[in-house]
Amino acid sequence: GDSVTQMEGPVTLSEEAFLTINCTYTATGYPSLFWYVQYPGEGLQLLLKATKADDKGSNKGFEATYRKETTSFHLEKGSVQVSDSAVYFCALIRNTGGFKTIFGAGTRLFVKA
Amino acid sequence: GAGVSQTPSNKVTEKGKYVELRCDPISGHTALYWYRQSLGQGPEFLIYFQGTGAADDSGLPNDRFFAVRPEGSVSTLKIQRTERGDSAVYLCASSLAGGEDTQYFGPGTRLTVL
Repeated sequence: GDSVTQMEGPVTLSEEAFLTINCTYTATGYPSLFWYVQYPGEGLQLLLKATKADDKGSNKGFEATYRKETTSFHLEKGSVQVSDSAVYFCALIRNTGGFKTIFGAGTRLFVKA
Repeated sequence: GAGVSQTPSNKVTEKGKYVELRCDPISGHTALYWYRQSLGQGPEFLIYFQGTGAADDSGLPNDRFFAVRPEGSVSTLKIQRTERGDSAVYLCASSLAGGEDTQYFGPGTRLTVL
């Protein structure tokens, strides 16, 4: 069945470091891909998305490119801030045969000042 | 405007009891989703409504779980004969029209089955 695999955390970085959180997926057809973020004490919120191959989603300095050839959607940010500390979830939605959303297990990021 | 709200925020019940969890989506959103999230895991899809009908209920784990959305707005997730393994945070989300539209999540209901 469809699945999403994320790199395990926690990831601990110093402020201004480069961030990569890996995400790969298995899906039939052509899913849409998402990154959600959960800040401490808050609910899940969409960070960015890409709906077709080679699309790049971006928001708040974060980017991810939909790579169909490697079935990946890695999250990157050039310079992290303490306020980026959160749990990040990669997810996909199948666009055929139902609209089930499948989430990865999440990656916790700690950014130190 | 108001976001997605869920009640109660916490629910403690005993094994074997019946519980109802309520979700109030953003006004005008036709799509509504229920998820279950266990500690250290991502949300697990349960059911997706488009309007009043369940468009995809493939995530409901068994027939003890049932959800309704009779008027196409508020939804109730119903769990019969609760088991300790049902303990989790139950999340609701809504989106304008479903598909790849942005889902807006509520704060969740933490269910504890003793």
